[in-house]
Amino acid sequence: SAVISQKPSRDICQRGTSLTIQCQVDSQVTMMFWYRQQPGQSLTLIATANQGSEATYESGFVIDKFPISRPNLTFSTLTVSNMSPEDSSIYLCSVEKGSYGYTFGSGTRLTVV
Amino acid sequence: RKEVEQDPGPFNVPEGATVAFNCTYSNSASQSFFWYRQDCRKEPKLLMSVYSSGNEDGRFTAQLNRASQYISLLIRDSKLSDSATYLCVAGADGLTFGKGTHLIIQP
Repeated sequence: SAVISQKPSRDICQRGTSLTIQCQVDSQVTMMFWYRQQPGQSLTLIATANQGSEATYESGFVIDKFPISRPNLTFSTLTVSNMSPEDSSIYLCSVEKGSYGYTFGSGTRLTVV
Repeated sequence: RKEVEQDPGPFNVPEGATVAFNCTYSNSASQSFFWYRQDCRKEPKLLMSVYSSGNEDGRFTAQLNRASQYISLLIRDSKLSDSATYLCVAGADGLTFGKGTHLIIQP
């Protein structure tokens, strides 16, 4: 299965600032997925990132708030912009590797104060 | 709307017992199904895929009922290390996660 390195693992940020989360995969993948998991909630897909094209955002998520970069087949970033306390959550990247299913990064635990 | 519903529990089960939990999914177009395990403050990890014919992996058995749109997970001879949150997942054009079922195995 794929190995994903995600960082930072956690951060505490001031409201109004932005945080960029990085995910590095040890093999080339076509699509990378970004999820949010709020306390006590299920994982919610934010967007799907394809290399060479704009990310596809799910309902309720917009590019201005969550810009995504996908410069190559092994790397992606998600930025949480103009943060508010409601953005406090765990953010996870994920890839699909055939029969291995979906693998997740270790997550970024974000607290906005 | 795509939803996956699970009993959040917690299920408190003595070590060695058998425990089963189900989930239901609303999107009849779902084609892939999984159980993920999530430990506290960790990322979800794939426990097993779920196939129409049912499948077994050691102490774990997963079943899929397409007609009723539910998925089950059975854990036999439960271990203390099985304590975790189990996420039911259905995939169509993307994955839909349940909120998870909390399982606590007690010594």
